[in-house]
Amino acid sequence: KQEVTQIPAALSVPEGENLVLNCSFTDSAIYNLQWFRQDPGKGLTSLLLIQSSQREQTSGRLNASLDKSSGRSTLYIAASQPGDSATYLCAGMDSSYKLIFGSGTRLLVRP
Amino acid sequence: DADVTQTPRNRITKTGKRIMLECSQTKGHDRMYWYRQDPGLGLQLIYYSFDVKDINKGEISDGYSVSRQAQAKFSLSLESAIPNQTALYFCATRDRADTEAFFGQGTRLTVV
Repeated sequence: KQEVTQIPAALSVPEGENLVLNCSFTDSAIYNLQWFRQDPGKGLTSLLLIQSSQREQTSGRLNASLDKSSGRSTLYIAASQPGDSATYLCAGMDSSYKLIFGSGTRLLVRP
Repeated sequence: DADVTQTPRNRITKTGKRIMLECSQTKGHDRMYWYRQDPGLGLQLIYYSFDVKDINKGEISDGYSVSRQAQAKFSLSLESAIPNQTALYFCATRDRADTEAFFGQGTRLTVV
């Protein structure tokens, strides 16, 4: 059974810092991995989708990597801004085509 | 208009009442999902549907039922609501397994 873990649960950084959010999964037979952003009381916004055949995806200041052999994905945020403050969720698609979510990392970027 | 619309956005109901949460999408996707999110936790899958005739239970389906009325509509019902079903509920759609999932804005349900 696929399990997804995110560390740390919360992170506070000063504005301008580069940061890395971690996501690990137990089953390397992952179909793809998707990173989401969730603002308080709001829905999920898709940030990046990495297929199992890919190693990374980039969008603006965001870069996500996927290493199936080690069961890890990272989300790199460059030059963080207060507007990046949100909860970031990763979700892996298992062999039954279900999205399995981690519990998220709550990010605060201080001005 | 949002691609994935959930109604209602907020609902307070009493223990034992039947309640239905509705989801509609304009993306033309076959696959639809219902998730529940509890404070500080990730999303847990309740039910999912790969097409109108294909309904599957997720991790936490007990106490819930669903109906896929059309390709664009997927409803979640709580037959007899209980307080520990108080949570944020999300509907999601995707086109194929290798494409992005899109989420609605969520329904905040409180059972008192």
